[in-house]
Amino acid sequence: AQSVAQPEDQVNVAEGNPLTVKCTYSVSGNPYLFWYVQYPNRGLQFLLKYITGDNLVKGSYGFEAEFNKSQTSFHLKKPSALVSDSALYFCAVRDEGTGGFKTIFGAGTRLFVKA
Amino acid sequence: DTGVSQDPRHKITKRGQNVTFRCDPISEHNRLYWYRQTLGQGPEFLTYFQNEAQLEKSRLLSDRFSAERPKGSFSTLEIQRTEQGDSAMYLCASSFQAEQGELFFGEGSRLTVL
Repeated sequence: AQSVAQPEDQVNVAEGNPLTVKCTYSVSGNPYLFWYVQYPNRGLQFLLKYITGDNLVKGSYGFEAEFNKSQTSFHLKKPSALVSDSALYFCAVRDEGTGGFKTIFGAGTRLFVKA
Repeated sequence: DTGVSQDPRHKITKRGQNVTFRCDPISEHNRLYWYRQTLGQGPEFLTYFQNEAQLEKSRLLSDRFSAERPKGSFSTLEIQRTEQGDSAMYLCASSFQAEQGELFFGEGSRLTVL
């Protein structure tokens, strides 16, 4: 069965500094990996995904993520954080090997960007 | 198209009552998903449909929970004999046919069981 771990409940960063939100996964087949963001009282919004190809994927709002197969990680990054990036971030995985279409989410990491 | 819509946005009910939530997915999306989210946690998968067929159900979905998508368009999630532990945000999402497709979420239906 697939699983996702987000080891940090909260990440604090100063505005203008780079940010990293960590994610590791476990699947039996090839992973499809996603990042979503949730603002207060709003639904989850898709940020970016890795399916195949280049290990560095770029997404919305200047975010990017790096797929590392050997470390089974898919960390979210941004070169320069904005206060408006403060939100709850979820890593998610779908296991291509199971043949199903169930997406499993991590517990989330709250990002706090201080001005 | 305005995205995935869910109704009602908030529901307060007494323990033992039945509640029903509705989800209208993006019109061209043939896959529809239900998740449950409690405070401080990530969304937990409940069930998903491809067109009108319910293809997978989580063990979290007890016999009191039932979901339908009768015509392959909107879906309903019914909870019978609600318990306080059912209090949560119920999220609906839809996606296009492709395996690699990301999910598009509605804003959720918040259930409070007193």
